Amino acid sequence: DAKTTQPPSMDCAEGRAANLPCNHSTISGNEYVYWYRQIHSQGPQYIIHGLKNNETNEMASLIITEDRKSSTLILPHATLRDTAVYYCIPKRGNKLVFGAGTILRVKS
Amino acid sequence: EPEVTQTPSHQVTQMGQEVILRCVPISNHLYFYWYRQILGQKVEFLVSFYNNEISEKSEIFDDQFSVERPDGSNFTLKIRSTKLEDSAMYFCASGGLGVGQETQYFGPGTRLLVL
Repeated sequence: DAKTTQPPSMDCAEGRAANLPCNHSTISGNEYVYWYRQIHSQGPQYIIHGLKNNETNEMASLIITEDRKSSTLILPHATLRDTAVYYCIPKRGNKLVFGAGTILRVKS
Repeated sequence: EPEVTQTPSHQVTQMGQEVILRCVPISNHLYFYWYRQILGQKVEFLVSFYNNEISEKSEIFDDQFSVERPDGSNFTLKIRSTKLEDSAMYFCASGGLGVGQETQYFGPGTRLLVL
């Protein structure tokens, strides 16, 4: 499984875009990049995933660099309810391997 | 929107007792998973289940653990003889699309406390 590097924490002002980076330089060609978040001790919540192309859904956008060695999750208008731990997970096969993630604190 | 549900939300048990954690996956999903999270630590994979058999398990998932899909809707995790270190949040997840690409959706978890 590819190793990931995420900043341990980030702050974002409410209403502004939150850009969460992830380095996954050892990712292999068939590994999708998944993003999940965990609010307090709740179950991880799926956000978005992608392979090569940028993706957007109702929750977020995912920008993957052309060499696939890094990606950025963008929450376009962060709210207080977006305060959570965000996990970037290259996935191949069955399991999700969670790292420590990034604690995003959205502040008013 | 369909969601994974888990019961009970909290379980307190004595060391050495058996516990069964229950999950109802999303109805058309084919892949089922258990993860756990010890307080303050990372979410850890335990086991995946497909086509009525275990497809992968971690080192944590030893002989004290078992999984079962007893009917068309439930997916259970049994811990035969609980230890103090089994205290954790246990999350069930299910997924439905192609192998290796399926998105996993998690339940709210069961908080297990072993005394």
